[in-house]
Amino acid sequence: DIQMTQSPSSLPASLGDRVTITCRASQDIGNYLRWFQQKPGKSPRLMIYGATNLAAGVPSRFSGSRSGSDYSLTISSLESEDMADYYCLQSKESPLTFGSGTKLEIK
Amino acid sequence: QVQLKESGPGLVQPSQTLSLTCTVSGFSLTSYNVHWVRQPPGKGLEWMGRMRYNGDTSYNSALKSRLSISRDTSKNQVFLKMNSLQTDDTGTYYCTRDVGVAWGQGTLVTVSS
Repeated sequence: DIQMTQSPSSLPASLGDRVTITCRASQDIGNYLRWFQQKPGKSPRLMIYGATNLAAGVPSRFSGSRSGSDYSLTISSLESEDMADYYCLQSKESPLTFGSGTKLEIK
Repeated sequence: QVQLKESGPGLVQPSQTLSLTCTVSGFSLTSYNVHWVRQPPGKGLEWMGRMRYNGDTSYNSALKSRLSISRDTSKNQVFLKMNSLQTDDTGTYYCTRDVGVAWGQGTLVTVSS
């Protein structure tokens, strides 16, 4: 199975900060990488698909990038509504696997 | 519009079998894949398995021996059955189309005697 190693597990940050969350894939997944945002009591929301493509309705301060087997989600200027949990998911092959999650919280 | 809704018992006894239904609308099960994802309280997301548009299934390696996913296309429903439930199977269970933009609201399952 493909392992997705996500870091950090917790990220304290201030409003207006630029923040980056990373997932490393244990084997090649091409660009089959998605990022999800989840707020308490809610279903996950797709933010990024194909490693770099913004899902519909997602603010442009969110972006995705890839460097080799490392995939990153960046928020250019943190807003209060961005405080949430974030997960990566590889959809290259079954079984699909999620990263362990990052809790983004106010410093 | 595309909708998914999970239903099933909120409480299951240890060692018993969990049966959940995902009822979909706004799309055809013969055109899209439906996945099941679960989340223990306060923990991360876990992919459980999927029903492909062509009827094929695939499962999480750790759950494979206990898990079965099936469907009834005439009723627009996908079913999850998992046996030998234990307390660490407690959590919220979601169905989602293609693990993309469309998710159900989730259903909380508690495993307890």
